[in-house]
Amino acid sequence: EVDLVESGGGLALPGGSLRLSCAASGFTFGSFAMGWVRQSPGKGLEWVSVITHSGGGIYYADFAKGRFTISRDNSANTLFLHMYNLRAEDTATYYCAKVPGKFCAGGACVYDFWGQGTLVTVSS
Amino acid sequence: DIQMTQSPSTLSASVGDRVTITCRASQMISVWLAWYQQKPGKAPQLLISKASILEDGVPSRFSGSGSGTEFTLTVRGLQPDDVATYYCQHYDSRSPPTFGGGTKVDVK
Repeated sequence: EVDLVESGGGLALPGGSLRLSCAASGFTFGSFAMGWVRQSPGKGLEWVSVITHSGGGIYYADFAKGRFTISRDNSANTLFLHMYNLRAEDTATYYCAKVPGKFCAGGACVYDFWGQGTLVTVSS
Repeated sequence: DIQMTQSPSTLSASVGDRVTITCRASQMISVWLAWYQQKPGKAPQLLISKASILEDGVPSRFSGSGSGTEFTLTVRGLQPDDVATYYCQHYDSRSPPTFGGGTKVDVK
């Protein structure tokens, strides 16, 4: 059974940084692309970033470019999202999600399994 | 970027009703359209991919149709367990993926 468990969320100051992790189990992690999607409190879903199975291909939403870095450790079955220069508008629940394939054309993926999310709050 | 517009934003229906949610794309996206269900306090769950392909384990009362710019999610015989917010998402490779604003479904 696929399981994705996010961690690393919490309170951060504006301009601060956080590193989110997603521990994966129940599937061959290194064979699938993975992504992050966020949801601001009471709002809709917003795609953040995706990384191919090998880490060789990475895509970001415009708001994440230059501030967020996605990475993965296939030996540890873990996905990461490093977030820098955080803003109040980055406050959201961040979901780790699995792609049903090694990569997606143009980074545009469908997500077949999701973790339960980790809440990031950016506030002074 | 391709914009996704869902309607209605909320709907209330009775158990057993047929419910239809519409999703429109601002550009042609062929069949690169997914539907997700998000129950209160839970993570989204993929229901349908490629506009009409039902995911394993999803009840057959759910169906998807459409291509190009207009898509629909239909629930035939609404159940109390279907109370949720439903989102469409395009995944056309020409543009970053975007989600619709969501449709909140309640049971009367």
